[in-house]
Amino acid sequence: SYVLTQPPSVSVAPGKTATITCGGNNIGTKTVHWYQQKPGQAPVLVVYDDRARPSGIPERFSGSNSGNTATLTINRVEAGDEADYYCQLWNSSSDHLYVFGTGTKVTVL
Amino acid sequence: EVQLVQSGAEVKKPGESLKISCKTSGYSFANYWIGWVRQMPGKGLEWMGIIYPDDSDTRYSPSFQGQVTISADKSISTAFMQWSSLKASDTAMYYCARLKAAAAANEGFQHWGQGTLVTVSS
Repeated sequence: SYVLTQPPSVSVAPGKTATITCGGNNIGTKTVHWYQQKPGQAPVLVVYDDRARPSGIPERFSGSNSGNTATLTINRVEAGDEADYYCQLWNSSSDHLYVFGTGTKVTVL
Repeated sequence: EVQLVQSGAEVKKPGESLKISCKTSGYSFANYWIGWVRQMPGKGLEWMGIIYPDDSDTRYSPSFQGQVTISADKSISTAFMQWSSLKASDTAMYYCARLKAAAAANEGFQHWGQGTLVTVSS
């Protein structure tokens, strides 16, 4: 089945930029979505269709996708951005239709 | 406002059956795929299955095929997931989540329930 690999953790100082990668075979040919999950809460969609933001998500969150890597970038990181982040895609060529990445814990120093 | 409200936490014994629910409101229930996602304690998100309520078209992850049954009742705008015989390894938080766009499968899960914690212990 299709595997999405994320770094287990990313640490970033407030005001700096956090970059979270999501690696997969030719992931650039697929559409990637990103979720933020804070402790004890349900996930929240922060980026969809590689780079679009749902209503209410700050412009500081942006996405890109090319080659074998999709990326979620958080600019001007705030303490409230500390959370787990997951990438996800729809893999129509497999019975594992919806695939989540392994997840990245973002720590704000 | 779109809302997905899940049933409350459950404590069960191994071998018992269980059916949890996801009651929706604020949109046309029949026309959006609803999925179920498992999160074991301290672990990541795992897709279990998804249903299109209009025709009950249901797809399961191979990892969960035969382990759970997903259903939907259009008359009460509610999706369900059930187990016939729980195991201790089913202990987890379970989320229902609706895809972003109507009738489209290649979408993100934009709306989520609050989660149902299932604990299976003897």
